[in-house]
Amino acid sequence: QKEVEQNSGPLSVPEGAIASLNCTYSDRGSQSFFWYRQYSGKSPELIMSIYSNGDKEDGRFTAQLNKASQYVSLLIRDSQPSDSATYLCAVNPGAGSNYKLTFGKGTLLTVNP
Amino acid sequence: GAVVSQHPSWVICKSGTSVKIECRSLDFQATTMFWYRQFPKQSLMLMATSNEGSKATYEQGVEKDKFLINHASLTLSTLTVTSAHPEDSSFYICSGMPVAGGTHEQYFGPGTRLTVT
Repeated sequence: QKEVEQNSGPLSVPEGAIASLNCTYSDRGSQSFFWYRQYSGKSPELIMSIYSNGDKEDGRFTAQLNKASQYVSLLIRDSQPSDSATYLCAVNPGAGSNYKLTFGKGTLLTVNP
Repeated sequence: GAVVSQHPSWVICKSGTSVKIECRSLDFQATTMFWYRQFPKQSLMLMATSNEGSKATYEQGVEKDKFLINHASLTLSTLTVTSAHPEDSSFYICSGMPVAGGTHEQYFGPGTRLTVT
């Protein structure tokens, strides 16, 4: 069974700090990796996608992928109270699964002013 | 990013009636759309995968005769909850995967909150 595990949280950081969110996955053949942000009562919003080993930066967000370790992370620099949300790691195993995403249970992040 | 709309955003219906939820990709074409359900404080649960022009593929435990999915065009998929019961009350969210680009990113609609009384 394909699994995605996230650090359980909740994670609390002060405003301006770096928030680090981690995710591991079990399917070694997975090809695409995503981070979604979900505010309470809202639907998920795609914030980062990463496909190859290394770092990918977009503004205050950096996604890191290590396929050998089956590990994905998201760093949020200069965290703001508006970043407080649940962050979902999602893995796409590829065409064989009809591109269905496998989600982790999410990590609740609270950024304290 | 790509935009997906859902209609209605919320609906209240009586037990035993049917409700149709529309999911539209506004600025991209989606060969594949997905339908999810989320109960309060729980994870997203994939209900079915909808491919344009073919029958939907339902996840284990999801009743295909109760949750009717139609994906008639590359921009529209509908979910009909038939003979709704209070236990069907939930947050229903669709997502679309653009045909172009090959990134396999999924973009979510804003969701439809269903309450069955």
